[in-house]
Amino acid sequence: EAGVVQSPRYKIIEKKQPVAFWCNPISGHNTLYWYLQNLGQGPELLIRYENEEAVDDSQLPKDRFSAERLKGVDSTLKIQPAELGDSAVYLCASSFSGTNEQFFGPGTRLTVL
Amino acid sequence: DAKTTQPTSMDCAEGRAANLPCNHSTISGNEYVYWYRQIHSQGPQYIIHGLKNNETNEMASLIITEDRKSSTLILPHATLRDTAVYYCIVRVILAGNMLTFGGGTRLMVKP
Repeated sequence: EAGVVQSPRYKIIEKKQPVAFWCNPISGHNTLYWYLQNLGQGPELLIRYENEEAVDDSQLPKDRFSAERLKGVDSTLKIQPAELGDSAVYLCASSFSGTNEQFFGPGTRLTVL
Repeated sequence: DAKTTQPTSMDCAEGRAANLPCNHSTISGNEYVYWYRQIHSQGPQYIIHGLKNNETNEMASLIITEDRKSSTLILPHATLRDTAVYYCIVRVILAGNMLTFGGGTRLMVKP
């Protein structure tokens, strides 16, 4: 069974440029999470989806970050414009609603120059 | 969710048991103890969870004290591939409930 797929694995951009990350969760998982992980720290939740609905986006900086999960399957996280402080690993995870084991993708490492 | 305290780092000899402690003195009666680990350049991976009783699976054992204020994750025969950051998380089981990660313990397994 395929795990959570994320792309790209690495991205280097200059500040003020836009960037997008893509996530395909495990088949059948209707809960999808985006986490941000700064160097040396644990992941922090940005947004959680139940199917196509964003049910917890309180930690998402909405002035520059946006996310979508249009058909309740794969998801895109966008930053526009990127800032130097956005350099981090962006992790996607998925789970079945009602169960609690979250499966994580390998993450996208973003470097903003 | 209750806060957890873990040592920043630990070493373990290859083939020996690795015992990773976690304090969660403010844990509530309906909160479970979860352990995840994160190997370098990978996403976190679920290991085990428990409420009151000790638990064991193919990866590890979880020992929870009777007062539930602390727990220990045991890797019975650590290998080099077990080198990772181990996160102890205390949370209520709710559908879709997020994980709140702390700093974790960086376990280095040495030959």
